[in-house]
Amino acid sequence: GAGVSQTPSNKVTEKGKYVELRCDPISGHTALYWYRQSLGQGPEFLIYFQGTGAADDSGLPNDRFFAVRPEGSVSTLKIQRTERGDSAVYLCASSLQLGANNEQFFGPGTRLTVL
Amino acid sequence: GQQVMQIPQYQHVQEGEDFTTYCNSSTTLSNIQWYKQRPGGHPVFLIQLVKSGEVKKQKRLTFQFGEAKKNSSLHITATQTTDVGTYFCAENSGGSNYKLTFGKGTLLTVNP
Repeated sequence: GAGVSQTPSNKVTEKGKYVELRCDPISGHTALYWYRQSLGQGPEFLIYFQGTGAADDSGLPNDRFFAVRPEGSVSTLKIQRTERGDSAVYLCASSLQLGANNEQFFGPGTRLTVL
Repeated sequence: GQQVMQIPQYQHVQEGEDFTTYCNSSTTLSNIQWYKQRPGGHPVFLIQLVKSGEVKKQKRLTFQFGEAKKNSSLHITATQTTDVGTYFCAENSGGSNYKLTFGKGTLLTVNP
């Protein structure tokens, strides 16, 4: 595809429910990143993958958050027992390879609202 | 962890005026990236600075990396309404840790 795609674009759920957010990176990009952005803030790092493995998941706020990338392409961010504080825009980014000098291409994000 | 502070938080200018946003860190940065996010949009990469004292230009945009690699700036000459958006600096920890740590950004609005 032309860029990083994310689905759904918007998700409204009730407190306590489970949600899955999907990211489809640019074809051929081996590194994939998840960020969370609250209103008026910069994106906050959650996790990144190199291939299928999570290279760094230090940004996941707690064990309700989990992400997978089973085939090294599409990734799913999973949030269990959602809380109102989880409401934010969840951004996915990909880069050609894992490295300090690689531009990250961001997707349009999924706006999650927990009621 | 590493933090980058950005100032100002907001800047409103008349079209044609110049604009500068600053990014500061208390520790030495391995590199700094700049992103632009239009209202309702997602961050879009502008540039990466790596070398001490580096200066890069993109048309009306000038990016600088401080000599001590602890600060950076983005300067826009003669702003246009298309420059509206939030400008973020982001530091990349380098080494084996490639996550980006973003500043809070500077929201630029331009009055036509």
